[in-house]
Amino acid sequence: NAGVTQTPKFRVLKTGQSMTLLCAQDMNHEYMYWYRQDPGMGLRLIHYSVGEGTTAKGEVPDGYNVSRLKKQNFLLGLESAAPSQTSVYFCASSDGTAGSYGYTFGSGTRLTVV
Amino acid sequence: QQPVQSPQAVILREGEDAVINCSSSKALYSVHWYRQKHGEAPVFLMILLKGGEQKGHEKISASFNEKKQQSSLYLTASQLSYSGTYFCGTRFSGSARQLTFGSGTQLTVLP
Repeated sequence: NAGVTQTPKFRVLKTGQSMTLLCAQDMNHEYMYWYRQDPGMGLRLIHYSVGEGTTAKGEVPDGYNVSRLKKQNFLLGLESAAPSQTSVYFCASSDGTAGSYGYTFGSGTRLTVV
Repeated sequence: QQPVQSPQAVILREGEDAVINCSSSKALYSVHWYRQKHGEAPVFLMILLKGGEQKGHEKISASFNEKKQQSSLYLTASQLSYSGTYFCGTRFSGSARQLTFGSGTQLTVLP
């Protein structure tokens, strides 16, 4: 029962470097989300997907790109990292819309950009 | 448009009760509640749909007042394990399907 798995768990990047965060879920969920969590600001939605091959922008999409080539995977990319992107990133999935289904979160990726 | 949670922090003794509120300026379709322990992922507690629904989960229950666009989380006879940060997540009526989260309420239960 893995649920939602995020890799890596920790990463330090230099300004301008790129990286990809991987999220994998084994629950056959249709919906997947990427959130960032900053102190005192709760969870803010970066991008989300309502099914394989689809992506959409959330509240804070600038500086990030995503892809969902396979139903079970949702990738978050940073093309040119900036210190403002230092945060904890959470991936989540749900079986349907937020109206009726709770989210299952991964354990997070702590990213520091120096 | 982020829902407003209150209080921001609360400290309790084991066995005491607490109420955490979540208010929105926009019409709500549903409200979720999550608990996050330090360094861990948020964990889903319950979901409330419009219609004045009230739900319970062990000694933790919640209500949803659709007219006031407000939800409250009730923790009764709190246990040490209840410590953590509680987030409400709201889906607004007639809008996109994802949740918007409040900034959280930090709950500390002391022995």
